[in-house]
Amino acid sequence: DAKTTQPPSMDCAEGRAANLPCNHSTISGNEYVYWYRQIHSQGPQYIIHGLKNNETNEMASLIITEDRKSSTLILPHATLRDTAVYYCIVRVRGNRDDKIIFGKGTRLHILP
Amino acid sequence: DTGVSQNPRHKITKRGQNVTFRCDPISEHNRLYWYRQTLGQGPEFLTYFQNEAQLEKSRLLSDRFSAERPKGSFSTLEIQRTEQGDSAMYLCASSIAYEQYFGPGTRLTVT
Repeated sequence: DAKTTQPPSMDCAEGRAANLPCNHSTISGNEYVYWYRQIHSQGPQYIIHGLKNNETNEMASLIITEDRKSSTLILPHATLRDTAVYYCIVRVRGNRDDKIIFGKGTRLHILP
Repeated sequence: DTGVSQNPRHKITKRGQNVTFRCDPISEHNRLYWYRQTLGQGPEFLTYFQNEAQLEKSRLLSDRFSAERPKGSFSTLEIQRTEQGDSAMYLCASSIAYEQYFGPGTRLTVT
């Protein structure tokens, strides 16, 4: 089973920041938080990952709480092209057994 | 395009027929993964290769499924005697370090 809990769906107005929450209360010390997204009829796309510190790249920001039991993915200025299913995943990096275990994710609707 | 490619993109077959899908990973990626995704669910892991060695198979991979990666480059996934329950999107991903990069998938419909 997936080790994360996400809301099934969310709406966000175009141009606003989209904040997607994720709970991972059983995360282990060596597990990273990863985010992928899947636009309709495409394969999942890597967005960002982090261990303890907040991370930012050209796509998004990742805020991880100090106890690491939850995180938030932030899309700073959402566009219609950000409509997708967003998956929050916890996994160990570099393990021999490094398959990704996906949950059902959050379906994000960007509203015009 | 230097991403992961999969062929065909769509396949419709009759129950009982055999089908084969192909995945071409990103050049020099030594790890290759297969996942299956049904409607409304996240992708589920099927199997993975490091170079030509198949290192793990999910219990989802019944005896009717076989995957190969003969020269450590492209991979094939074959399903024998297809059943309607095999209808799904079959996704391939590759990696060289830690991040997996996914292809567009092959959508299989079994009628």
